[in-house]
Amino acid sequence: EAQVTQNPRYLITVTGKKLTVTCSQNMNHEYMSWYRQDPGLGLRQIYYSMNVEVTDKGDVPEGYKVSRKEKRNFPLILESPSPNQTSLYFCASKSPTYEQYFGPGTRLTVT
Amino acid sequence: TQLLEQSPQFLSIQEGENLTVYCNSSSVFSSLQWYRQEPGEGPVLLVTVVTGGEVKKLKRLTFQFGDARKDSSLHITAAQPGDTGLYLCAAIPGNFNKFYFGSGTKLNVKP
Repeated sequence: EAQVTQNPRYLITVTGKKLTVTCSQNMNHEYMSWYRQDPGLGLRQIYYSMNVEVTDKGDVPEGYKVSRKEKRNFPLILESPSPNQTSLYFCASKSPTYEQYFGPGTRLTVT
Repeated sequence: TQLLEQSPQFLSIQEGENLTVYCNSSSVFSSLQWYRQEPGEGPVLLVTVVTGGEVKKLKRLTFQFGDARKDSSLHITAAQPGDTGLYLCAAIPGNFNKFYFGSGTKLNVKP
């Protein structure tokens, strides 16, 4: 089954404690992306990757890092999380015909 | 400031009624997509429109891209409870790398 998986699904952490949210896709898509979703703001793009070792900033990259060492994986790294990064995070991959497939989401709470 | 404005923000209707959701911008886009998101899940792509004036139908859903490629509408005929969800529009600018989402229309269809 074609899918995007994210782990963990829920995470509660404290300010400043580094964390990584993993994302994996099995559709051999070159393009992957991370979004955050906040009430009233829709989805905002954090980072995207056109291919292995190629990443670029979206609209809200501050406080986040990404890496793309393999085509299937695109982890999101928060080096020093802060409460304003409490949000619902989605990973997505995109087909060559611009169809985006989203993961189930990771609900992050930073206290 | 949102690049895409969706209206209405909330819509609660009875089963069998018709409705239209709007997605507007002052910018021109290469293409526009509509997604539906259910609680606890990631958005699911419904349609992509690429040509100004284009109309696409998906069963009881009709999507239109404005002639100037700045706006779009989603019309649902004879809404059913299964149509309940958050409807998001997403615009794709010329470089096809970034996605800009509206804040969404939360639809509730009562039986």
